[in-house]
Amino acid sequence: EPEVTQTPSHQVTQMGQEVILRCVPISNHLYFYWYRQILGQKVEFLVSFYNNEISEKSEIFDDQFSVERPDGSNFTLKIRSTKLEDSAMYFCASRARDPSSYEQYFGPGTRLTVT
Amino acid sequence: DQQVKQNSPSLSVQEGRISILNCDYTNSMFDYFLWYKKYPAEGPTFLISISSIKDKNEDGRFTVFLNKSAKHLSLHIVPSQPGDSAVYFCAASEYQGAQKLVFGQGTRLTINP
Repeated sequence: EPEVTQTPSHQVTQMGQEVILRCVPISNHLYFYWYRQILGQKVEFLVSFYNNEISEKSEIFDDQFSVERPDGSNFTLKIRSTKLEDSAMYFCASRARDPSSYEQYFGPGTRLTVT
Repeated sequence: DQQVKQNSPSLSVQEGRISILNCDYTNSMFDYFLWYKKYPAEGPTFLISISSIKDKNEDGRFTVFLNKSAKHLSLHIVPSQPGDSAVYFCAASEYQGAQKLVFGQGTRLTINP
């Protein structure tokens, strides 16, 4: 069964450093998302990406964040200058091209720890 | 911003009995609802969904009920099995826009043998 994969599973970085979180969505999916979950809190939407551009972003997704689909398979989230409060689980998700299909399929997540 | 709420942080059910997980929402623009199951150190796994034009959807042991007038949905698991022990998230989406998911806080379900 096709699945979303994410690397690395755990990333430790120092405050102010740049990190890139990587995702390989399900191959025939066209809609891509990043969510995050701070420990003990809800899963929160960060950004959606379709047709090679951002379709929606949340208030959390400020100028420090960017997303890219550099080739036909990878989808990346970059945080330019990490802060302590960026420590969270980051989940990538993808959705099929069928506009009536709302189901999003999630990867296993990357645990980001900012020290 | 609590558009989707799961008021029970935890629920304990005996194996073989019915588990009922509840979810309330406030945004009347939501027209699709999903339940996800999450084990520790894994991503959310899609379980079952329901469109706002329906009031019930069933898939094996899992049934989701939607009461639009009350802005309430529930997930029934019967019979409950030990492998069902996990955190369950309710999520909602609007047809318009990016169809992002808005999640509830989750309910930790424990099935006791």
